[in-house]
Amino acid sequence: DAGITQSPRHKVTETGTPVTLRCHQTENHRYMYWYRQDPGHGLRLIHYSYGVKDTDKGEVSDGYSVSRSKTEDFLLTLESATSSQTSVYFCAISATSGGSTGGEQYFGPGTRLTVT
Amino acid sequence: GENVEQHPSTLSVQEGDSAVIKCTYSDSASNYFPWYKQELGKGPQLIIDIRSNVGEKKDQRIAVTLNKTAKHFSLHITETQPEDSAVYFCAASTKGSARQLTFGSGTQLTVLP
Repeated sequence: DAGITQSPRHKVTETGTPVTLRCHQTENHRYMYWYRQDPGHGLRLIHYSYGVKDTDKGEVSDGYSVSRSKTEDFLLTLESATSSQTSVYFCAISATSGGSTGGEQYFGPGTRLTVT
Repeated sequence: GENVEQHPSTLSVQEGDSAVIKCTYSDSASNYFPWYKQELGKGPQLIIDIRSNVGEKKDQRIAVTLNKTAKHFSLHITETQPEDSAVYFCAASTKGSARQLTFGSGTQLTVLP
């Protein structure tokens, strides 16, 4: 999984509780991404980071926040979890933003989150 | 924003036959098209990609073709093997501050022995 770890791998939480998922990389890549995967929707981008403390919103960012204080760590926080946030969350990394070459994204093993 | 449609959603082939998965995209500015393979319980694995300045790319039994005019691209797997069974996703993106991939909904490929 390209030097990417995600923690926890599985989590069950109750509606209204805060949850933080961690993505850790050993590749020193500049770009990091959070996606969620739901049946019938493929993967959808939540937030991404293009450097330490540089983050931006993706397609489905409502209800999520992120932080990146170090190159190797990208945190995804659900401030108040809802049942609609039950999903599998994947982190991805990329060395460059891409152009005529580069920009390939490599994914971690995922975190399965259940909100009851 | 970009919209990617992927067909078929399920595909069964006999071992040794070819498999073809097709995707269409909506944003003519998209210029990067990766394909991912996902096995049960694992993260997506990049298997091949193509950029808008190339019409076809091949890597052993896997090939991808791109038709920019029609805005569609396809994955071709030849001489399929049981280990090719997985979910395959196409994606498209433009270049911005970071590559924001828009994914298709996936194709479950089953290779029958």
